[in-house]
Amino acid sequence: AQSVAQPEDQVNVAEGNPLTVKCTYSVSGNPYLFWYVQYPNRGLQFLLKYITGDNLVKGSYGFEAEFNKSQTSFHLKKPSALVSDSALYFCAVRDRYSSASKIIFGSGTRLSIRP
Amino acid sequence: SAVISQKPSRDICQRGTSLTIQCQVDSQVTMMFWYRQQPGQSLTLIATANQGSEATYESGFVIDKFPISRPNLTFSTLTVSNMSPEDSSIYLCSVEVAGTGARGANVLTFGAGSRLTVL
Repeated sequence: AQSVAQPEDQVNVAEGNPLTVKCTYSVSGNPYLFWYVQYPNRGLQFLLKYITGDNLVKGSYGFEAEFNKSQTSFHLKKPSALVSDSALYFCAVRDRYSSASKIIFGSGTRLSIRP
Repeated sequence: SAVISQKPSRDICQRGTSLTIQCQVDSQVTMMFWYRQQPGQSLTLIATANQGSEATYESGFVIDKFPISRPNLTFSTLTVSNMSPEDSSIYLCSVEVAGTGARGANVLTFGAGSRLTVL
């Protein structure tokens, strides 16, 4: 069975500092991996995804994520945090080899950027 | 990508009553998804709504509690029946945005959600 874990409920970073939001997964083979962000009182928005190829994926708002097969991780990163990045971030995984598979979401990490 | 309008955005309901959430998409989509996001928790898929057929429910969710309608390719409703405080959640409507590759890589677009509080 596929699963995804976000080990940190909350991440606090000062504005201008680099940020990392961690995600590990458990899926057979190479999964599709996603990051979504949820701003207050809004639905989830897609940030980026890993399909194949380059392990470093660049997405919206200056975010990037690195697919690490050996560590089964897909951590979200940004070189310089903004206060406006404060939101709830979800990692998600989907089995590549089953067209009927569902997308599984992690428990979410609340990112708080202090001025 | 698709634009999803969901209403109500929030409501406060009494125990034992039912509430219907509406989801309108600005383009025709094959499948629509209903998720529940309980306080402090992740998203859980309730069911997949297909036009012209019965919705497909995930384990732990039943049609009597969460009846779904899908009258056409742009609209769906989710009813939360006989509500209890445990049903207090954000309910999200979602659709897949078809890409050029495999379906598994498709991105989900979400409505803003309906925040229900059951007293």
